[in-house]
Amino acid sequence: SQQGEEDPQALSIQECENATMNCSYKTSINNLQWYRQNSGRGLVHLILIRSNEREKHSGRLRVTLDTSKKSSSLLITASRAADTASYFCATDLIKAAGNKLTFGGGTRVLVKP
Amino acid sequence: DGGITQSPKYLFRKEGQNVTLSCEQNLNHDAMYWYRQDPGQGLRLIYYSQIVNDFQKGDIAEGYSVSREKKESFPLTVTSAQKNPTAFYLCASRGALYSNQPQHFGDGTRLSIL
Repeated sequence: SQQGEEDPQALSIQECENATMNCSYKTSINNLQWYRQNSGRGLVHLILIRSNEREKHSGRLRVTLDTSKKSSSLLITASRAADTASYFCATDLIKAAGNKLTFGGGTRVLVKP
Repeated sequence: DGGITQSPKYLFRKEGQNVTLSCEQNLNHDAMYWYRQDPGQGLRLIYYSQIVNDFQKGDIAEGYSVSREKKESFPLTVTSAQKNPTAFYLCASRGALYSNQPQHFGDGTRLSIL
Protein backbone atom coordinates (compact mmCIF):
# COMPACT_ATOMS: atom_id res chain seq x y z
CA SER A 1 0.00 0.00 0.00
CA GLN A 2 1.06 3.60 -0.41
CA GLN A 3 3.18 5.43 2.13
CA GLY A 4 0.56 8.14 2.61
CA GLU A 5 -3.07 7.17 2.91
CA GLU A 6 -5.84 9.71 3.27
CA ASP A 7 -9.02 9.28 5.21
CA PRO A 8 -11.83 9.67 4.33
CA GLN A 9 -11.71 8.96 0.61
CA ALA A 10 -14.59 11.36 0.05
CA LEU A 11 -16.23 14.12 2.07
CA SER A 12 -19.37 16.14 1.41
CA ILE A 13 -20.12 19.25 3.47
CA GLN A 14 -22.16 22.44 3.35
CA GLU A 15 -20.60 25.84 2.78
CA CYS A 16 -19.27 27.46 5.96
CA GLU A 17 -18.72 24.07 7.62
CA ASN A 18 -15.24 22.82 8.47
CA ALA A 19 -13.63 19.94 6.58
CA THR A 20 -11.06 17.65 8.17
CA MET A 21 -9.05 14.98 6.42
CA ASN A 22 -6.30 12.76 7.73
CA CYS A 23 -3.14 11.23 6.35
CA SER A 24 -1.23 8.28 7.78
CA TYR A 25 2.23 7.17 6.76
CA LYS A 26 4.62 4.37 7.63
CA THR A 27 8.25 5.49 7.70
CA SER A 28 10.23 8.45 9.01
CA ILE A 29 9.84 11.69 7.11
CA ASN A 30 11.69 14.95 6.51
CA ASN A 31 8.44 16.75 5.93
CA LEU A 32 4.84 16.19 4.89
CA GLN A 33 3.09 18.26 2.27
CA TRP A 34 -0.54 18.87 1.33
CA TYR A 35 -1.69 19.58 -2.20
CA ARG A 36 -5.02 20.47 -3.83
CA GLN A 37 -6.14 19.33 -7.25
CA ASN A 38 -9.08 20.83 -9.05
CA SER A 39 -10.76 18.59 -11.60
CA GLY A 40 -8.62 18.10 -14.70
CA ARG A 41 -5.81 20.29 -13.41
CA GLY A 42 -2.38 19.86 -11.90
CA LEU A 43 -1.64 19.81 -8.18
CA VAL A 44 -1.18 23.03 -6.25
CA HIS A 45 0.96 23.09 -3.12
CA LEU A 46 -0.86 24.19 0.04
CA ILE A 47 1.34 23.65 3.09
CA LEU A 48 4.62 21.97 3.98
CA ILE A 49 5.14 20.91 7.60
CA ARG A 50 8.56 19.75 8.73
CA SER A 51 9.11 16.75 10.97
CA ASN A 52 10.03 18.98 13.94
CA GLU A 53 6.85 21.06 13.63
CA ARG A 54 3.51 20.16 15.17
CA GLU A 55 1.12 22.67 13.66
CA LYS A 56 1.06 25.12 10.79
CA HIS A 57 -1.49 27.62 9.51
CA SER A 58 -2.08 29.26 6.17
CA GLY A 59 -5.21 31.36 5.84
CA ARG A 60 -8.18 29.03 6.44
CA LEU A 61 -5.96 25.96 6.43
CA ARG A 62 -4.54 24.29 9.51
CA VAL A 63 -2.21 21.31 9.35
CA THR A 64 -1.08 19.20 12.27
CA LEU A 65 1.62 16.56 12.39
CA ASP A 66 2.03 13.82 14.97
CA THR A 67 5.23 11.95 14.22
CA SER A 68 4.68 9.50 17.10
CA LYS A 69 1.46 8.36 15.45
CA LYS A 70 2.79 8.91 11.92
CA SER A 71 -0.24 10.96 11.01
CA SER A 72 -1.23 14.40 9.81
CA SER A 73 -4.50 16.24 9.45
CA LEU A 74 -5.66 19.07 7.21
CA LEU A 75 -8.47 21.29 8.43
CA ILE A 76 -10.24 23.70 6.12
CA THR A 77 -12.29 26.17 8.13
CA ALA A 78 -15.38 28.02 6.89
CA SER A 79 -15.37 26.10 3.63
CA ARG A 80 -16.47 27.64 0.35
CA ALA A 81 -17.75 26.11 -2.87
CA ALA A 82 -14.37 26.96 -4.40
CA ASP A 83 -12.73 24.53 -1.95
CA THR A 84 -14.31 21.65 -3.88
CA ALA A 85 -11.30 19.62 -5.02
CA SER A 86 -9.21 16.56 -4.25
CA TYR A 87 -6.64 16.92 -1.49
CA PHE A 88 -3.47 14.85 -1.35
CA CYS A 89 -0.83 14.39 1.27
CA ALA A 90 2.73 13.65 0.18
CA THR A 91 5.58 12.44 2.32
CA ASP A 92 9.19 13.44 1.84
CA LEU A 93 11.03 10.45 3.21
CA ILE A 94 14.36 10.51 4.96
CA LYS A 95 17.02 9.18 2.59
CA ALA A 96 14.56 8.86 -0.28
CA ALA A 97 16.48 8.52 -3.52
CA GLY A 98 15.97 11.29 -6.02
CA ASN A 99 14.31 13.70 -3.65
CA LYS A 100 11.02 11.96 -4.37
CA LEU A 101 7.65 12.53 -2.77
CA THR A 102 5.21 9.71 -2.13
CA PHE A 103 1.56 10.64 -2.63
CA GLY A 104 -1.53 9.20 -1.03
CA GLY A 105 -4.75 8.38 -2.85
CA GLY A 106 -6.44 11.65 -1.95
CA THR A 107 -9.63 12.87 -0.31
CA ARG A 108 -12.32 14.18 -2.64
CA VAL A 109 -14.09 17.11 -1.02
CA LEU A 110 -17.42 18.45 -2.22
CA VAL A 111 -18.61 21.72 -0.72
CA LYS A 112 -22.27 22.32 -1.39
CA PRO A 113 -23.56 25.89 -1.58
CA ASP B 1 5.74 34.10 -14.69
CA GLY B 2 7.76 31.01 -13.81
CA GLY B 3 6.09 27.68 -14.14
CA ILE B 4 5.76 24.33 -15.84
CA THR B 5 4.17 23.93 -19.25
CA GLN B 6 2.85 20.61 -20.43
CA SER B 7 1.69 19.99 -23.97
CA PRO B 8 -0.50 18.93 -25.53
CA LYS B 9 -3.43 19.11 -23.14
CA TYR B 10 -5.13 16.17 -24.89
CA LEU B 11 -3.47 13.41 -26.88
CA PHE B 12 -4.78 10.38 -28.70
CA ARG B 13 -2.73 7.30 -29.45
CA LYS B 14 -3.31 4.66 -32.06
CA GLU B 15 -2.43 1.08 -31.32
CA GLY B 16 1.26 0.37 -31.90
CA GLN B 17 2.17 4.05 -31.87
CA ASN B 18 4.66 5.85 -29.66
CA VAL B 19 3.65 9.29 -28.44
CA THR B 20 5.69 11.95 -26.68
CA LEU B 21 4.44 14.31 -23.98
CA SER B 22 6.26 17.58 -23.53
CA CYS B 23 7.24 19.15 -20.21
CA GLU B 24 9.13 22.45 -19.99
CA GLN B 25 9.98 24.46 -16.86
CA ASN B 26 11.50 27.91 -16.43
CA LEU B 27 11.94 27.66 -12.66
CA ASN B 28 15.61 26.70 -12.91
CA HIS B 29 14.83 23.51 -11.00
CA ASP B 30 17.25 20.61 -11.01
CA ALA B 31 14.79 17.80 -10.38
CA MET B 32 11.89 16.84 -12.62
CA TYR B 33 9.28 14.10 -12.32
CA TRP B 34 6.60 12.33 -14.35
CA TYR B 35 3.51 10.91 -12.70
CA ARG B 36 0.57 8.90 -13.93
CA GLN B 37 -2.88 9.44 -12.43
CA ASP B 38 -5.79 7.10 -13.10
CA PRO B 39 -9.39 8.25 -12.46
CA GLY B 40 -10.10 8.79 -8.78
CA GLN B 41 -6.61 7.68 -7.82
CA GLY B 42 -3.43 9.18 -6.48
CA LEU B 43 -0.17 9.82 -8.32
CA ARG B 44 2.27 7.08 -9.28
CA LEU B 45 5.84 7.94 -10.19
CA ILE B 46 6.99 6.91 -13.67
CA TYR B 47 10.46 8.47 -14.01
CA TYR B 48 12.46 11.19 -12.36
CA SER B 49 15.60 13.13 -13.11
CA GLN B 50 17.84 14.91 -10.61
CA ILE B 51 20.22 16.45 -13.11
CA VAL B 52 20.75 16.86 -16.84
CA ASN B 53 21.66 13.64 -18.68
CA ASP B 54 20.58 11.49 -15.76
CA PHE B 55 17.24 9.89 -14.93
CA GLN B 56 15.91 7.03 -12.83
CA LYS B 57 12.97 4.66 -13.03
CA GLY B 58 10.07 5.22 -10.68
CA ASP B 59 7.48 2.72 -9.57
CA ILE B 60 5.79 2.12 -12.94
CA ALA B 61 8.46 2.76 -15.61
CA GLU B 62 7.63 -0.19 -17.88
CA GLY B 63 6.37 0.97 -21.28
CA TYR B 64 7.70 4.51 -20.84
CA SER B 65 10.95 6.28 -21.70
CA VAL B 66 12.37 9.74 -20.95
CA SER B 67 15.32 11.96 -21.79
CA ARG B 68 16.89 14.93 -20.02
CA GLU B 69 19.15 16.70 -22.50
CA LYS B 70 18.37 20.17 -21.15
CA LYS B 71 17.67 21.38 -17.65
CA GLU B 72 14.39 22.93 -18.77
CA SER B 73 12.96 19.94 -20.60
CA PHE B 74 11.92 16.42 -19.57
CA PRO B 75 9.84 14.75 -22.31
CA LEU B 76 8.03 11.48 -21.69
CA THR B 77 7.48 8.91 -24.43
CA VAL B 78 4.65 6.44 -24.02
CA THR B 79 5.70 3.46 -26.10
CA SER B 80 3.60 0.79 -27.76
CA ALA B 81 4.76 -1.55 -25.00
CA GLN B 82 2.51 0.32 -22.56
CA LYS B 83 -0.70 -1.63 -23.05
CA ASN B 84 -2.92 0.54 -20.89
CA PRO B 85 -1.75 4.13 -21.48
CA THR B 86 -5.08 5.88 -20.96
CA ALA B 87 -4.49 8.19 -18.01
CA PHE B 88 -3.75 11.73 -16.89
CA TYR B 89 -0.01 12.49 -16.96
CA LEU B 90 1.50 15.11 -14.69
CA CYS B 91 4.97 16.62 -14.81
CA ALA B 92 6.53 18.28 -11.79
CA SER B 93 9.78 19.94 -10.79
CA ARG B 94 11.54 20.71 -7.56
CA GLY B 95 14.37 23.00 -6.53
CA ALA B 96 17.53 22.23 -4.64
CA LEU B 97 17.96 18.59 -3.80
CA TYR B 98 17.24 17.35 -0.30
CA SER B 99 15.73 20.60 0.84
CA ASN B 100 12.33 21.23 2.33
CA GLN B 101 10.66 22.44 -0.82
CA PRO B 102 7.41 21.56 -2.55
CA GLN B 103 6.99 20.24 -6.04
CA HIS B 104 5.52 22.45 -8.75
CA PHE B 105 3.14 20.85 -11.22
CA GLY B 106 2.06 21.42 -14.78
CA ASP B 107 -1.57 21.20 -15.80
CA GLY B 108 -1.29 17.72 -17.21
CA THR B 109 -1.81 15.84 -20.46
CA ARG B 110 -4.77 13.52 -20.86
CA LEU B 111 -3.88 10.56 -23.04
CA SER B 112 -6.53 8.35 -24.63
CA ILE B 113 -6.53 5.39 -26.98
CA LEU B 114 -8.18 5.73 -30.39
